[in-house]
Amino acid sequence: NAGVTQTPKFRILKIGQSMTLQCAQDMNHNYMYWYRQDPGMGLKLIYYSVGAGITDKGEVPNGYNVSRSTTEDFPLRLELAAPSQTSVYFCASSVTVPEGTEAFFGQGTRLTVV
Amino acid sequence: AQKITQTQPGMFVQEKEAVTLDCTYDTSDPSYGLFWYKQPSSGEMIFLIYQGSYDQQNATEGRYSLNFQKARKSANLVISASQLGDSAMYFCAMREGHDMRFGAGTRLTVKP
Repeated sequence: NAGVTQTPKFRILKIGQSMTLQCAQDMNHNYMYWYRQDPGMGLKLIYYSVGAGITDKGEVPNGYNVSRSTTEDFPLRLELAAPSQTSVYFCASSVTVPEGTEAFFGQGTRLTVV
Repeated sequence: AQKITQTQPGMFVQEKEAVTLDCTYDTSDPSYGLFWYKQPSSGEMIFLIYQGSYDQQNATEGRYSLNFQKARKSANLVISASQLGDSAMYFCAMREGHDMRFGAGTRLTVKP
């Protein structure tokens, strides 16, 4: 079972470059999330989506954009990469019932901006 | 405002002993869920246990139990009979409404 798949696993960007982090899930989950985890820190919510066509900001949305055109995919776009965006990015998904359902996580994308 | 607080950056426990990892939360929503995740050094996020705000009993999953004190807004994780493989980062998380937020984590080290 694939679960939540993130690509790429590692990436080095130069300051000012742009890239898209891909996230796909095959569990037909409506809820999807993007988090970032800085070294030695907890996860910060960037954006989330409750279904195709619906997205909303989390705690730290600045410098990022998302789209949700299908249930399966939830890409995260970085425009004009900055060193402060060096982090590990996690995508997660869960079923519709919000409170009682665990979020399933991808393996993470380690991004370094130099 | 910080909604999830984990006050223990690091904890040590002797193998086979029990350990409690603290978590407090802040919400005015009567309906919410509390979760604990484990993150080993390999980096993946592993779900451990869930407690709903309306649950009357504390959740248990094998060696993990959640000490839920609703009035104090605390959801401490208890790990019984610690094993070397329990050494990892542990994150408390709360879901209210549509989003899910995490605490800063506690690094647990199990000593042989």
